[in-house]
Amino acid sequence: DAKTTQPPSMDCAEGRAANLPCNHSTISGNEYVYWYRQIHSQGPQYIIHGLKNNETNEMASLIITEDRKSSTLILPHATLRDTAVYYCIARGYNNNDMRFGAGTRLTVKP
Amino acid sequence: DTAVSQTPKYLVTQMGNDKSIKCEQNLGHDTMYWYKQDSKKFLKIMFSYNNKELIINETVPNRFSPKSPDKAHLNLHINSLELGDSAVYFCASSQVLDGEQFFGPGTRLTVL
Repeated sequence: DAKTTQPPSMDCAEGRAANLPCNHSTISGNEYVYWYRQIHSQGPQYIIHGLKNNETNEMASLIITEDRKSSTLILPHATLRDTAVYYCIARGYNNNDMRFGAGTRLTVKP
Repeated sequence: DTAVSQTPKYLVTQMGNDKSIKCEQNLGHDTMYWYKQDSKKFLKIMFSYNNKELIINETVPNRFSPKSPDKAHLNLHINSLELGDSAVYFCASSQVLDGEQFFGPGTRLTVL
């Protein structure tokens, strides 16, 4: 699986959009970009994933650059409960081996 | 209803003991996993089971052995516990091999 690089930490004001970047410059054509988050003392939670096209669900939007070397997770209206560590993972098709990096610790402030 | 559950939530034990952590999922998923999260918060996969067959076994000591009595359960047995085994262990499951994974609440193991 391709290695991903994320900033170690970010802050966001409550009610504003949180934009979390991820670099995956060595991603291969069959690797998806997955995002998970881990709220303190809980198990990781799936957020969203995509291959080439931008994706949106009830939790977030995922913007993938055309060359697929980077992506951005967008939480449109961050709340205090979104404070967590966010993990970006590049994972091949038919591959159940997810490799978590250090992630980005997002702190949403009042 | 809890999708992926683990017992116990906390486990404190002495070095050299043998212990087990249980995991159950009621999602009807075909694949289950065990992850270890150490004190530095790195989350690493240990095992996964698909249709009762082990399909991933990372560089985990053979003191650790997963046991799957049926598709809904994947238990983790640990023999001769060591101090370095102290960590939070997460169970997870997915519908298909490359599907989104649903994680349990974790078991915090402390070896004294």
